[in-house]
Amino acid sequence: QSALTQPASVSGSPGQSITISCTGTSSDVGGYNYVAWYQQHPGKTPKLMIYDVTKRPSGVSNRFSGSNSGNTASLTISGLQAEDEADYYCSSCTSSSTYWVFGGGTKLTVL
Amino acid sequence: EVQLVESGGGLVQPGGSLKLSCAASGFSFSGSAMHWVRQASGKGLEWVGLIRSKTNNYATTYAASVKGRFTISRDDSKNTACLQMNSLKTDDTAVYFCARTLGGGFYYWGQGTLVTVSS
Repeated sequence: QSALTQPASVSGSPGQSITISCTGTSSDVGGYNYVAWYQQHPGKTPKLMIYDVTKRPSGVSNRFSGSNSGNTASLTISGLQAEDEADYYCSSCTSSSTYWVFGGGTKLTVL
Repeated sequence: EVQLVESGGGLVQPGGSLKLSCAASGFSFSGSAMHWVRQASGKGLEWVGLIRSKTNNYATTYAASVKGRFTISRDDSKNTACLQMNSLKTDDTAVYFCARTLGGGFYYWGQGTLVTVSS
């Protein structure tokens, strides 16, 4: 069982917006501004989409945005496109001995 | 251009050992902490451990699932980080990535190397 909880799947139609949640505790998501989000297409290496809760690396579309409220972080993708279909993972630093934890992943389907 | 290239993966029997390497280029390796992350086939990502820079005394931290069995080391003269894996279990079967962070996220990833633990 993953330390951070994500929905197994979400779906949306092209052009719509979707939000993926990532729920942790005050020891990780709620305690640090180090939440990150990754996109992974089948057979590919994970790609960092959001770091430090809200920051986008250079080259990442501004259709991707991150936020945090208490122990739950969220990734919002606006203007869904077919190429957004992928697995998405969240991660956070943690004060536990594990030090860094990931969510179990969410499969995004673009209908 | 930042590059991370893992090597050393392969098939090993349960209880055996394997050493992975991560060759880095394109950035100040000696000043960077280096992480290992793994992913079993069809499963999610799991953080394995990290080694900090010389400034931070090369301190290491490990996930509970590998602590006491895995050891991370580095050779700054060769821009290389290593993951020594002992007492391997079938659950350790995964693709192993080395990674470097940007803020609180893993930005740079290697292509990964597959470790299969099976009799």
